[in-house]
Formats: sequence, structure tokens, C-alpha cells
Amino acid sequence: DTAVSQTPKYLVTQMGNDKSIKCEQNLGHDTMYWYKQDSKKFLKIMFSYNNKELIINETVPNRFSPKSPDKAHLNLHINSLELGDSAVYFCASSQEDRGAAEAFFGQGTRLTVV
Amino acid sequence: GEDVEQSLFLSVREGDSSVINCTYTDSSSTYLYWYKQEPGAGLQLLTYIFSNMDMKQDQRLTVLLNKKDKHLSLRIADTQTGDSAIYFCAENLRGRRALTFGSGTRLQVQP
Repeated sequence: DTAVSQTPKYLVTQMGNDKSIKCEQNLGHDTMYWYKQDSKKFLKIMFSYNNKELIINETVPNRFSPKSPDKAHLNLHINSLELGDSAVYFCASSQEDRGAAEAFFGQGTRLTVV
Repeated sequence: GEDVEQSLFLSVREGDSSVINCTYTDSSSTYLYWYKQEPGAGLQLLTYIFSNMDMKQDQRLTVLLNKKDKHLSLRIADTQTGDSAIYFCAENLRGRRALTFGSGTRLQVQP
């Protein structure tokens, strides 16, 4: 059973398009995240949701809109894609009432904007 | 600040020990983590240490924490070719529900 699953794994699209990446976790966690990893492997938090409520938005352009229909899902919608959006996007989840709050990551979605 | 720094590259021979270092700037970090990323894969949690501990050992992995110097290290004993990957240290600041990652250290294990 995959704990945190993202789809699609690869996404190639043209500039200006709108695309979505889906994420689901079956761990029963109450908090989900989106991270962005650039070509130099730097990882940065983008968003964090706790029980469907946005709690972190790290100065991400408003072309990026996360949506959490329930606490097991956190989807990422991107409008008007730009070349600089090319990166690997990772979804993660954790349970916040556990001290260490270990985060479990999905396999990533490699987005290429051409 | 929330800067977490690591050296970018480490090369060792199979069977040797590897030591990957990390420095952080925020002394209010509650937990510090080590993640492993293999090529084309997601991040796998290797181990973590609570900020009031100095050391944690888990099989071949030893984590050392020096709070005074804000220095964290990961030692891998008897390094194998399967340990080749990028290793990220990360901190989970008190009250903040996200991880701040270091830049990652690429470990190359030579046969």
C-alpha cells in the first residue's frame, strides 16, 4: 500500500497552460504539505494544510492554489504555467499531535514547462 | 533565521564510515531529521533526534547533536554502494508545521 501517492509522476506542458497535481495519503494524518525541489535539489515548503485548513503559505505566487477536499487529499492547481515552475513537486503528510511529526513523502511529480 | 547548511558532496570507499555534517541557525528547533533521497525517488526518513539529546544510534546510523554549536552530523558505518544518495538534514521548528531542509549532501560510495 502506498502511503502518500501523487499523480501524475511526470507532467510536460506548455507555458500558459493550467495543470493540477493530485495527492492522497492513507495514513490517517491530519496535516499535508506541498514542497518544491528545484534543479539544484533545494527543497522548500510551499503550503501546509491541517484538517483541510491552510496554515502555511510561503510566499508562493497566487497562480498556485492548493485545494483540500478532505484531510486525506491535497491537490495543487497551477494556473498560467511559466518556465520557472519546472521542478519536482513533493506532497507529504504528518500527524501533528505526535512529537516528532515525522513527514512521509510521495514519490514526486516532475513538472516540465516548455 | 532558518538557514540549514550542508556540504554538497562526499565521496567514500565501500566499507568506510561516512560523516555528513549540517549546521542550523535557529536554536528553538525541537526536532532535527535526516532524510535520504535516491535518484528519481521521494524522500525517506532515516532518523531524527530530539533537541535535548546529544546522540542517537540506530543500527549503522549514528546522529550527533551539538546544540551549543548548532551542529548536527550523521555517521554511516560500513558504507555500502546502496547508501549512495542525497542526504538532507531538516529541522522542525517549534510551532511550525513544516520542515526546513538543508541543501543536501550527495554521497558517492566507490566500490
